[in-house]
Amino acid sequence: GENVEQHPSTLSVQEGDSAVIKCTYSDSASNYFPWYKQELGKGPQLIIDIRSNVGEKKDQRIAVTLNKTAKHFSLHITETQPEDSAVYFCAASIQSNFGNEKLTFGTGTRLTIIP
Amino acid sequence: NAGVTQTPKFQVLKTGQSMTLQCAQDMNHEYMSWYRQDPGMGLRLIHYSVGAGITDQGEVPNGYNVSRSTTEDFPLRLLSAAPSQTSVYFCASSFEGTGTYTEAFFGQGTRLTVV
Repeated sequence: GENVEQHPSTLSVQEGDSAVIKCTYSDSASNYFPWYKQELGKGPQLIIDIRSNVGEKKDQRIAVTLNKTAKHFSLHITETQPEDSAVYFCAASIQSNFGNEKLTFGTGTRLTIIP
Repeated sequence: NAGVTQTPKFQVLKTGQSMTLQCAQDMNHEYMSWYRQDPGMGLRLIHYSVGAGITDQGEVPNGYNVSRSTTEDFPLRLLSAAPSQTSVYFCASSFEGTGTYTEAFFGQGTRLTVV
């Protein structure tokens, strides 16, 4: 089955600096790669996703890049703000006609923004 | 719009007791799933369902049972609780019944402690 590795497990950055979280996956058939943000006491919430037919996607301060050949994808957060502090999870799946089937998650990155 | 609703939010069980974690969604999503979240291990898929009457096992199904009698509800049953089942449980749903891909929406979680 799919295996997703995520690094680093913890990350502290000064407010205003950039943060990068990296993930690798094992199943070359995976075609959907979402990133989730989890705030304390809440469920994960999608912040950005990318499908295997594109190499990069951007949404304001957040961007995701995908390298299918190397089987890795990364989350980039620029101009970090205190509200970016949370746990971030990457995931991979083979999206079929039934939707987000069998998401396999990384182990999470605890991001702390230092004011 | 309530989204995905999980009950209860907190539960303490004694070893050997059984209980049902409730999950309901009001978005007409066909796909529903249960994950458990443990420190350092990300979210792991327990069981999932692609529609009413159809369920299948995920990565860690042992000790859990599910059924899907309606599109809206997907309860998770612990047959005989064990301390190893102490975890935070998340229900998620995605994919509208009209055939439209959606992101996976997560509930707020149920924190279960087995003593």
